Amino acid sequence: GENVEQHPSTLSVQEGDSAVIKCTYSDSASNYFPWYKQELGKRPQLIIDIRSNVGEKKDQRIAVTLNKTAKHFSLHITETQPEDSAVYFCAVFGNQFYFGTGTSLTVIP
Amino acid sequence: DAGVIQSPRHEVTEMGQEVTLRCKPISGHDYLFWYRQTMMRGLELLIYFNNNVPIDDSGMPEDRFSAKMPNASFSTLKIQPSEPRDSAVYFCASIMVGTEAFFGQGTRLTVV
Repeated sequence: GENVEQHPSTLSVQEGDSAVIKCTYSDSASNYFPWYKQELGKRPQLIIDIRSNVGEKKDQRIAVTLNKTAKHFSLHITETQPEDSAVYFCAVFGNQFYFGTGTSLTVIP
Repeated sequence: DAGVIQSPRHEVTEMGQEVTLRCKPISGHDYLFWYRQTMMRGLELLIYFNNNVPIDDSGMPEDRFSAKMPNASFSTLKIQPSEPRDSAVYFCASIMVGTEAFFGQGTRLTVV
């Protein structure tokens, strides 16, 4: 089956700095790579996604990059704000839907 | 559509009791997933269904756990007998192929 690894597990940044979270996967047939944000006590919700035919996608302060050859994709958050503090999960969809182990991001005001 | 609906939102039960969690997926979605979330283990996939058929239950921790999907609009996750280590938040998610996963609000299970 798929093996999804996510790093780092915790990340603290100063408000206004950038945050980068990386995920690697093993199944070359995987073709859909979403990122989810989970605020405390709430359900995970999609914030951005990318498909295997695209290398990069941006949405305001959030971007995702995909390197299919190396089998890794990353979430980039620029100009971080305190409300970005949450747990972020990557996911991989090929034959199944696997989540990474999560990154707890803290933005320090 | 009201989204993925889970019930109950909270469940407190005594060790040894049977617990049944329920999920109503979004209409038209052909995949349904059950996840368990704890601080220690993060988000774990327990089982998923495709067109009501269980495809992979390798994540189910042991025989005390069972899941069914009798039709496209309803699924249950049952724990019998429950144990304190089963305490967690259980999420159900539904997907249409090629789109995002929509999560229910989760069931917070506490086994005392």
